[in-house]
Amino acid sequence: SQQGEEDPQALSIQEGENATMNCSYKTSINNLQWYRQNSGRGLVHLILIRSNEREKHSGRLRVTLDTSKKSSSLLITASRAADTASYFCATDAGTGNQFYFGTGTSLTVIP
Amino acid sequence: EAGVAQSPRYKIIEKRQSVAFWCNPISGHATLYWYQQILGQGPKLLIQFQNNGVVDDSQLPKDRFSAERLKGVDSTLKIQPAKLEDSAVYLCASSLNAGAYYEQYFGPGTRLTVT
Repeated sequence: SQQGEEDPQALSIQEGENATMNCSYKTSINNLQWYRQNSGRGLVHLILIRSNEREKHSGRLRVTLDTSKKSSSLLITASRAADTASYFCATDAGTGNQFYFGTGTSLTVIP
Repeated sequence: EAGVAQSPRYKIIEKRQSVAFWCNPISGHATLYWYQQILGQGPKLLIQFQNNGVVDDSQLPKDRFSAERLKGVDSTLKIQPAKLEDSAVYLCASSLNAGAYYEQYFGPGTRLTVT
């Protein structure tokens, strides 16, 4: 499969804590994106990181990429109840064109 | 800016019946995608259009699924005949252009239940 796999499958934390989720993939990539999906807003793009980048920040989000280990991590700092959602990584499997989504991490932030 | 519109939002049909979904992408977006998301899984790409041409339909079950994007704007996805395993959320997405560095904007999806 060309899909990424997120780890853990489910994560439950208290509001204010940090949440870290990981994505591993099998083939070389050009780009990797993280998406969030909740019932209120559907599937929403969070951040893109290119294969020549190692780290990117966007607000409370920090994404790292280690191409040698074929893995990426998403860190959400100072979590809020509104961060409760499923988080997916999507890789282009080197095609540079289509994206292949992983299985997702379900994050629950307890107020 | 208006988002990606999809209809209907929900559909319940019996197996062997036909069903069609409609998608209106963001104005000016050349690339349109249809995804199938089964409960508990990530979205799976079914077909990708660039304007009104098909870029990739390798994961589309062509014996029962068909899709078109007339005039390079709206798109329809059809299932005929439906099977129980087609129960899923069908997501439409669009992006400014093809290429994995372009952000995809997703519609709310159509939840299909096949009984």
